[in-house]
Amino acid sequence: EPEVTQTPSHQVTQMGQEVILRCVPISNHLYFYWYRQILGQKVEFLVSFYNNEISEKSEIFDDQFSVERPDGSNFTLKIRSTKLEDSAMYFCAAGGQGFSPLHFGNGTRLTVT
Amino acid sequence: GIQVEQSPPDLILQEGANSTLRCNFSDSVNNLQWFHQNPWGQLINLFYIPSGTKQNGRLSATTVATERYSLLYISSSQTTDSGVYFCAVLEWLNNDMRFGAGTRLTVKP
Repeated sequence: EPEVTQTPSHQVTQMGQEVILRCVPISNHLYFYWYRQILGQKVEFLVSFYNNEISEKSEIFDDQFSVERPDGSNFTLKIRSTKLEDSAMYFCAAGGQGFSPLHFGNGTRLTVT
Repeated sequence: GIQVEQSPPDLILQEGANSTLRCNFSDSVNNLQWFHQNPWGQLINLFYIPSGTKQNGRLSATTVATERYSLLYISSSQTTDSGVYFCAVLEWLNNDMRFGAGTRLTVKP
């Protein structure tokens, strides 16, 4: 069983629409993250989440983005009104505390048309 | 925030050759991982190596935390080794992981 499962694997949406990307980490993880990778570029940090609240966010993570973990299992990233430049691969990651590896999901490829 | 620099940015090898990829980081870290991004875009974890040396088949990695660098060695390279290799570090203070820009490896038959 993978440590982190992301759905969907691909999502195509029209500009201005809302999208929700989902991540299911296994239950013993404490820290949760979202990353973004625009095609051909580096993997960029978006947000980290610990103890049911955002612990840090990057300048990319503006008011159009939100995260939540409503039921203690699913960890979601919502983009309220998608723009063309939101097209990217979005990775979810989860890990324990301190000296432990982060486990990455397989990513969701988001295409905004 | 912590800076992560990878070198070289691009590397072209003939099949069978050996290579060394380098990752420098600017501050103390809790964790360092090497990833290979496959043609489908998935990040495949190669090593979790905050310090010391590990080996897995033709790949090995060494992190010298006191000198703030890590090396990934690929021996007897194969065409399937092609892709982008990322180093990522977890900052000591805030438990957030930052990626380097990657090394794009091309192995020619």
